[in-house]
Amino acid sequence: DAKTTQPNSMESNEEEPVHLPCNHSTISGTDYIHWYRQLPSQGPEYVIHGLTSNVNNRMASLAIAEDRKSSTLILHRATLRDAAVYYCILRANDYKLSFGAGTTVTVRA
Amino acid sequence: NAGVTQTPKFQVLKTGQSMTLQCAQDMNHNSMYWYRQDPGMGLRLIYYSASEGTTDKGEVPNGYNVSRLNKREFSLRLESAAPSQTSVYFCASSEISAGVRNEQFFGPGTRLTVL
Repeated sequence: DAKTTQPNSMESNEEEPVHLPCNHSTISGTDYIHWYRQLPSQGPEYVIHGLTSNVNNRMASLAIAEDRKSSTLILHRATLRDAAVYYCILRANDYKLSFGAGTTVTVRA
Repeated sequence: NAGVTQTPKFQVLKTGQSMTLQCAQDMNHNSMYWYRQDPGMGLRLIYYSASEGTTDKGEVPNGYNVSRLNKREFSLRLESAAPSQTSVYFCASSEISAGVRNEQFFGPGTRLTVL
Protein backbone atom coordinates (compact mmCIF):
# COMPACT_ATOMS: atom_id res chain seq x y z
CA ASP A 1 0.00 0.00 0.00
CA ALA A 2 1.22 3.46 -0.86
CA LYS A 3 2.11 5.47 2.24
CA THR A 4 1.78 9.11 3.20
CA THR A 5 4.13 11.32 5.20
CA GLN A 6 2.83 14.24 7.26
CA PRO A 7 4.43 16.55 9.82
CA ASN A 8 3.65 15.55 13.40
CA SER A 9 2.27 18.95 14.36
CA MET A 10 1.52 22.46 13.14
CA GLU A 11 0.45 25.64 14.87
CA SER A 12 -1.63 28.49 13.54
CA ASN A 13 -3.25 31.68 14.75
CA GLU A 14 -6.98 32.04 14.67
CA GLU A 15 -8.37 33.46 11.42
CA GLU A 16 -5.14 32.77 9.55
CA PRO A 17 -4.78 30.13 6.82
CA VAL A 18 -3.31 26.74 7.57
CA HIS A 19 -1.45 24.73 4.94
CA LEU A 20 -1.09 21.04 5.80
CA PRO A 21 1.37 19.17 3.59
CA CYS A 22 1.27 15.50 2.69
CA ASN A 23 3.88 13.58 0.74
CA HIS A 24 2.87 10.44 -1.15
CA SER A 25 5.70 9.74 -3.56
CA THR A 26 4.60 6.14 -4.25
CA ILE A 27 1.02 7.01 -5.15
CA SER A 28 -0.46 4.94 -7.97
CA GLY A 29 -2.51 6.32 -10.81
CA THR A 30 -5.78 5.05 -9.35
CA ASP A 31 -5.25 6.25 -5.76
CA TYR A 32 -7.49 9.04 -4.54
CA ILE A 33 -6.20 11.43 -1.88
CA HIS A 34 -8.56 11.69 1.07
CA TRP A 35 -8.40 13.90 4.13
CA TYR A 36 -10.16 13.20 7.40
CA ARG A 37 -9.87 15.01 10.69
CA GLN A 38 -10.48 13.94 14.26
CA LEU A 39 -11.56 16.45 16.84
CA PRO A 40 -10.66 15.69 20.47
CA SER A 41 -12.60 12.76 21.91
CA GLN A 42 -14.58 12.25 18.69
CA GLY A 43 -14.55 9.91 15.73
CA PRO A 44 -12.91 11.03 12.48
CA GLU A 45 -14.88 13.06 9.98
CA TYR A 46 -14.43 13.42 6.24
CA VAL A 47 -12.92 16.67 5.03
CA ILE A 48 -12.23 16.44 1.31
CA HIS A 49 -10.84 14.20 -1.41
CA GLY A 50 -9.39 14.51 -4.91
CA LEU A 51 -7.63 12.66 -7.71
CA THR A 52 -5.75 15.10 -9.93
CA SER A 53 -7.44 18.48 -9.90
CA ASN A 54 -7.60 20.93 -7.02
CA VAL A 55 -10.83 20.68 -5.05
CA ASN A 56 -12.79 23.07 -2.87
CA ASN A 57 -15.64 22.53 -0.47
CA ARG A 58 -17.17 24.37 2.45
CA MET A 59 -14.59 23.02 4.87
CA ALA A 60 -11.29 23.28 2.98
CA SER A 61 -9.37 23.24 -0.28
CA LEU A 62 -7.12 20.48 -1.57
CA ALA A 63 -4.19 21.39 -3.80
CA ILE A 64 -2.63 18.44 -5.62
CA ALA A 65 0.82 18.66 -7.20
CA GLU A 66 1.00 18.07 -10.93
CA ASP A 67 3.00 14.86 -10.45
CA ARG A 68 0.60 13.83 -7.62
CA LYS A 69 3.48 13.03 -5.31
CA SER A 70 2.33 15.59 -2.79
CA SER A 71 -0.77 17.50 -1.77
CA THR A 72 -1.73 20.28 0.60
CA LEU A 73 -4.89 20.70 2.63
CA ILE A 74 -5.74 24.35 3.07
CA LEU A 75 -7.93 25.67 5.85
CA HIS A 76 -8.61 29.21 4.72
CA ARG A 77 -9.37 30.81 8.08
CA ALA A 78 -8.56 28.66 11.06
CA THR A 79 -10.93 28.73 14.00
CA LEU A 80 -10.51 27.19 17.43
CA ARG A 81 -12.88 24.46 16.29
CA ASP A 82 -10.36 23.41 13.62
CA ALA A 83 -7.93 22.17 16.28
CA ALA A 84 -7.75 18.46 15.47
CA VAL A 85 -5.61 15.67 14.08
CA TYR A 86 -5.68 15.73 10.26
CA TYR A 87 -5.11 12.52 8.35
CA CYS A 88 -3.99 12.29 4.72
CA ILE A 89 -5.03 8.92 3.29
CA LEU A 90 -4.53 7.30 -0.10
CA ARG A 91 -7.58 5.40 -1.18
CA ALA A 92 -7.63 2.69 -3.81
CA ASN A 93 -10.89 1.45 -5.21
CA ASP A 94 -11.82 -0.56 -2.14
CA TYR A 95 -13.59 -0.03 1.12
CA LYS A 96 -10.73 0.48 3.48
CA LEU A 97 -9.12 3.56 5.02
CA SER A 98 -5.56 3.27 6.33
CA PHE A 99 -4.84 5.91 8.95
CA GLY A 100 -1.33 7.04 9.84
CA ALA A 101 -0.47 9.21 12.84
CA GLY A 102 -1.66 12.41 11.12
CA THR A 103 -0.80 16.05 11.84
CA THR A 104 -1.94 17.61 15.10
CA VAL A 105 -3.10 21.16 14.42
CA THR A 106 -3.13 23.67 17.27
CA VAL A 107 -4.95 26.98 16.79
CA ARG A 108 -3.97 29.91 18.97
CA ALA A 109 -6.61 32.46 19.91
CA ASN B 1 -30.90 11.27 11.82
CA ALA B 2 -28.65 9.97 14.57
CA GLY B 3 -25.98 8.81 12.10
CA VAL B 4 -23.78 6.11 13.64
CA THR B 5 -24.45 5.21 17.25
CA GLN B 6 -22.35 3.01 19.51
CA THR B 7 -23.01 1.41 22.87
CA PRO B 8 -21.65 1.44 25.47
CA LYS B 9 -19.63 4.67 25.60
CA PHE B 10 -17.31 3.35 28.31
CA GLN B 11 -16.55 -0.16 29.59
CA VAL B 12 -14.11 -1.68 32.04
CA LEU B 13 -13.47 -5.42 31.82
CA LYS B 14 -11.31 -7.86 33.66
CA THR B 15 -8.92 -10.07 31.73
CA GLY B 16 -10.79 -13.05 30.33
CA GLN B 17 -14.23 -11.49 30.38
CA SER B 18 -16.27 -11.22 27.20
CA MET B 19 -18.39 -8.44 25.83
CA THR B 20 -20.09 -7.21 22.69
CA LEU B 21 -19.84 -3.70 21.34
CA GLN B 22 -22.93 -2.58 19.47
CA CYS B 23 -23.10 -0.31 16.44
CA ALA B 24 -26.08 0.91 14.45
CA GLN B 25 -26.50 3.33 11.56
CA ASP B 26 -29.63 4.94 10.19
CA MET B 27 -28.26 6.17 6.86
CA ASN B 28 -29.16 3.01 4.91
CA HIS B 29 -25.49 2.37 4.20
CA ASN B 30 -24.38 -0.98 2.87
CA SER B 31 -20.87 -1.07 4.32
CA MET B 32 -19.85 -1.01 7.97
CA TYR B 33 -16.48 -1.09 9.74
CA TRP B 34 -14.84 -1.57 13.12
CA TYR B 35 -11.60 0.26 13.95
CA ARG B 36 -9.50 0.53 17.07
CA GLN B 37 -7.38 3.49 18.10
CA ASP B 38 -4.58 3.16 20.63
CA PRO B 39 -3.24 6.28 22.39
CA GLY B 40 -1.35 8.63 20.06
CA MET B 41 -1.94 6.47 17.01
CA GLY B 42 -4.16 6.42 13.98
CA LEU B 43 -7.09 4.07 13.54
CA ARG B 44 -6.56 0.45 12.51
CA LEU B 45 -9.21 -1.61 10.79
CA ILE B 46 -10.34 -4.71 12.70
CA TYR B 47 -13.16 -6.07 10.53
CA TYR B 48 -15.48 -4.75 7.90
CA SER B 49 -18.71 -5.75 6.22
CA ALA B 50 -18.95 -4.63 2.61
CA SER B 51 -22.63 -5.53 2.49
CA GLU B 52 -25.24 -7.32 4.55
CA GLY B 53 -24.32 -10.97 4.89
CA THR B 54 -20.58 -10.53 4.36
CA THR B 55 -17.70 -9.85 6.72
CA ASP B 56 -13.95 -9.66 6.14
CA LYS B 57 -10.84 -9.31 8.24
CA GLY B 58 -9.00 -6.05 8.38
CA GLU B 59 -5.53 -5.26 9.62
CA VAL B 60 -5.86 -6.44 13.26
CA PRO B 61 -8.63 -9.09 13.54
CA ASN B 62 -7.08 -11.43 16.13
CA GLY B 63 -9.09 -11.69 19.34
CA TYR B 64 -12.29 -10.32 17.80
CA ASN B 65 -15.39 -11.60 16.07
CA VAL B 66 -18.10 -9.66 14.28
CA SER B 67 -21.72 -10.14 13.32
CA ARG B 68 -23.60 -8.20 10.67
CA LEU B 69 -27.01 -8.62 12.27
CA ASN B 70 -28.89 -6.77 9.53
CA LYS B 71 -28.27 -3.80 7.28
CA ARG B 72 -28.34 -1.37 10.22
CA GLU B 73 -26.34 -3.21 12.86
CA PHE B 74 -22.78 -4.49 13.09
CA SER B 75 -21.47 -5.84 16.40
CA LEU B 76 -17.94 -6.54 17.61
CA ARG B 77 -17.32 -9.27 20.18
CA LEU B 78 -14.34 -9.81 22.43
CA GLU B 79 -14.52 -13.45 23.56
CA SER B 80 -11.73 -13.29 26.14
CA ALA B 81 -10.55 -9.76 26.76
CA ALA B 82 -6.84 -9.03 27.18
CA PRO B 83 -5.09 -5.87 28.42
CA SER B 84 -3.71 -5.38 24.88
CA GLN B 85 -7.29 -4.77 23.75
CA THR B 86 -7.53 -1.63 25.86
CA SER B 87 -8.35 0.97 23.24
CA VAL B 88 -11.00 3.23 21.78
CA TYR B 89 -13.23 1.41 19.32
CA PHE B 90 -14.91 3.22 16.45
CA CYS B 91 -17.64 1.97 14.19
CA ALA B 92 -18.17 3.52 10.76
CA SER B 93 -20.46 3.12 7.79
CA SER B 94 -20.47 4.10 4.13
CA GLU B 95 -22.26 3.56 0.87
CA ILE B 96 -21.12 0.93 -1.55
CA SER B 97 -19.84 2.62 -4.63
CA ALA B 98 -17.89 1.65 -7.69
CA GLY B 99 -15.66 4.66 -7.17
CA VAL B 100 -13.94 5.98 -4.11
CA ARG B 101 -16.19 8.83 -3.02
CA ASN B 102 -17.26 6.47 -0.30
CA GLU B 103 -17.08 8.85 2.62
CA GLN B 104 -17.07 6.97 5.89
CA PHE B 105 -19.19 8.23 8.77
CA PHE B 106 -17.89 7.45 12.23
CA GLY B 107 -19.58 6.91 15.55
CA PRO B 108 -18.47 8.58 18.81
CA GLY B 109 -16.44 5.59 19.98
CA THR B 110 -16.38 3.14 22.88
CA ARG B 111 -13.59 3.54 25.41
CA LEU B 112 -12.64 0.09 26.64
CA THR B 113 -10.23 -0.67 29.46
CA VAL B 114 -9.16 -4.24 30.20
CA LEU B 115 -7.58 -4.74 33.61
